[in-house]
Amino acid sequence: GAVVSQHPSRVICKSGTSVKIECRSLDFQATTMFWYRQFPKQSLMLMATSNEGSKATYEQGVEKDKFLINHASLTLSTLTVTSAHPEDSSFYICSALRAGGPGEQYFGPGTRLTVT
Amino acid sequence: GDSVTQMEGPVTLSEEAFLTINCTYTATGYPSLFWYVQYPGEGLQLLLKATKADDKGSNKGFEATYRKETTSFHLEKGSVQVSDSAVYFCALSDPVIQGAQKLVFGQGTRLTINP
Repeated sequence: GAVVSQHPSRVICKSGTSVKIECRSLDFQATTMFWYRQFPKQSLMLMATSNEGSKATYEQGVEKDKFLINHASLTLSTLTVTSAHPEDSSFYICSALRAGGPGEQYFGPGTRLTVT
Repeated sequence: GDSVTQMEGPVTLSEEAFLTINCTYTATGYPSLFWYVQYPGEGLQLLLKATKADDKGSNKGFEATYRKETTSFHLEKGSVQVSDSAVYFCALSDPVIQGAQKLVFGQGTRLTINP
């Protein structure tokens, strides 16, 4: 149990377009989901915390108008990269906290975004 | 702010060798410490954790001891297998400073075990 999926696994888009990444908890309900960004050979950096039914909380330095997060249900959170630019190319990873669980984060496999 | 530093990889070992991956941390409060593992094509999985000084976390033959005096949480395994090939992340959670459940990660260490 406790499986988290992400879709798509890889996406290539042109500069100036928007891309949506989905994060789903497949077999549990998640009141809280986290979005991370990982640059090559670097650690995962927390971008934002997403709570079901409320606005996301963004970490310092993360542009909330550029990285739109929607947590519309207990099993789905989406990250939309708006007006993407090459510097947004990265590996995006989500994680989910099981509702009523001990606080362990379950991670998705990540989405590789390349902006050309 | 809080931070985690891991030994740089990649690390390549032969099967049955002894493994150590170093991890040190900087924290203002009293963090919990974690090791996560990421197998190819999969998400990060919690490998082990320790919530207070001198605690030892263990799982699948891996161990790590929370050393407050040296601010370290080194990962060890006595005899590695090919199936242990993965990327390993050290992380901390400092609820007082970071907020509940927020994780701060090291940069990851890629481990390759050759038969």
